Amino acid sequence: NAGVTQTPKFRILKIGQSMTLQCAQDMNHNYMYWYRQDPGMGLKLIYYSVGAGITDKGEVPNGYNVSRSTTEYFPLRLELAAPSQTSVYFCASSSRTSGEQFFGPGTRLTVL
Amino acid sequence: RKEVEQDPGPFNVPEGATVAFNCTYSNSASQSFFWYRQDCRKEPKLLMSVYSSGNEDGRFTAQLNRASQYISLLIRDSKLSDSATYLCVVSSAGGTSYGKLTFGQGTILTVHP
Repeated sequence: NAGVTQTPKFRILKIGQSMTLQCAQDMNHNYMYWYRQDPGMGLKLIYYSVGAGITDKGEVPNGYNVSRSTTEYFPLRLELAAPSQTSVYFCASSSRTSGEQFFGPGTRLTVL
Repeated sequence: RKEVEQDPGPFNVPEGATVAFNCTYSNSASQSFFWYRQDCRKEPKLLMSVYSSGNEDGRFTAQLNRASQYISLLIRDSKLSDSATYLCVVSSAGGTSYGKLTFGQGTILTVHP
């Protein structure tokens, strides 16, 4: 199993550009999550999903959108990128509530 | 008040030392507790779950005090490979909050020869 995969690994965006961060998991997990981690800070939840077709906002959803059309994929969309969105983005999945979350390797995004 | 607060660190210890990390959480209804480890420029990985009775995994011992809303991690006989950031993590409870983890800001540990 590949576990949780994310693409791209790195990306530089100009202010106002848009992009989609891809996330896939092959563990048949119902729960998937998107976090951002700023330097020296803990992870902050952006959006999460408890199953295909169901998504909900986390702590810092502004400026982002998600969709979950299948169990495997959970893309994160950035519209009108801003310098404040410069961060490392982690996708994660888990098989049940309050259980271990498995993380992807992250996407390092810089907005200039 | 932050939902999960950890020792600010950083901790810089020699090999073989014993080091303890502390963490407090604000939501008394929290249900599950974990320590995650994050290596530099890598993703977090689960180190161990934390149970009220206390639990041990080799050189690592985790304790939970629900009354004080306090979690600890003790590392004995530190190894160079223990150098990492240790994240205290709490799972919220109730309604649509199931499955969501709240992370502390992390404590950096450096073990030197």
